[in-house]
Amino acid sequence: GAVVSQHPSRVICKSGTSVKIECRSLDFQATTMFWYRQFPKQSLMLMATSNEGSKATYEQGVEKDKFLINHASLTLSTLTVTSAHPEDSSFYICSARQSGNTIYFGEGSWLTVV
Amino acid sequence: KNEVEQSPQNLTAQEGEFITINCSYSVGISALHWLQQHPGGGIVSLFMLSSGKKKHGRLIATINIQEKHSSLHITASHPRDSAVYICAVRSVLTGMRFGAGTRLTVKP
Repeated sequence: GAVVSQHPSRVICKSGTSVKIECRSLDFQATTMFWYRQFPKQSLMLMATSNEGSKATYEQGVEKDKFLINHASLTLSTLTVTSAHPEDSSFYICSARQSGNTIYFGEGSWLTVV
Repeated sequence: KNEVEQSPQNLTAQEGEFITINCSYSVGISALHWLQQHPGGGIVSLFMLSSGKKKHGRLIATINIQEKHSSLHITASHPRDSAVYICAVRSVLTGMRFGAGTRLTVKP
């Protein structure tokens, strides 16, 4: 079946540096990909919707200059957390939409900023 | 008020019991998803519904569009079903919105 792969699954970075998380749809083309964040013991929160070849649409309260999203191809979207701070430590998940409403989730990426 | 309300928040059951998790939403939707999140964080999409009922193994999901309500049922529950179950709705106007999740623990 369809698979969405996220990389890395875990990353530790120093405060002030940037870190990139990749989301790939492995056997289908995803015109739309979604990025979510989940703090411990909290629900998933949608951060942004990414359409291939166009700028991402960010949810209210999400800083687009801090969370850079690139969706340059139909199988790859990247989330770059710039100038990371400890409060950015979270679980980041992507999902990709196949044709229609079918959505597949990546495995998620644990980010720890020290 | 949350656009997606789930109940109960926590649920403990004995192995073999029939389990129901409820989800109510307040926006017009194009689809509703039931997701399963394991302790490591990984998420599995269990069902996507836009009407009626779907069944997969011991899992059954129903949706009533008029009442804006969906239920996830687990028959003959097993300890491996222990996870957080999340209801998510997709609305043209608001995008994806998630319930707070139901933490299910099934004891042997």
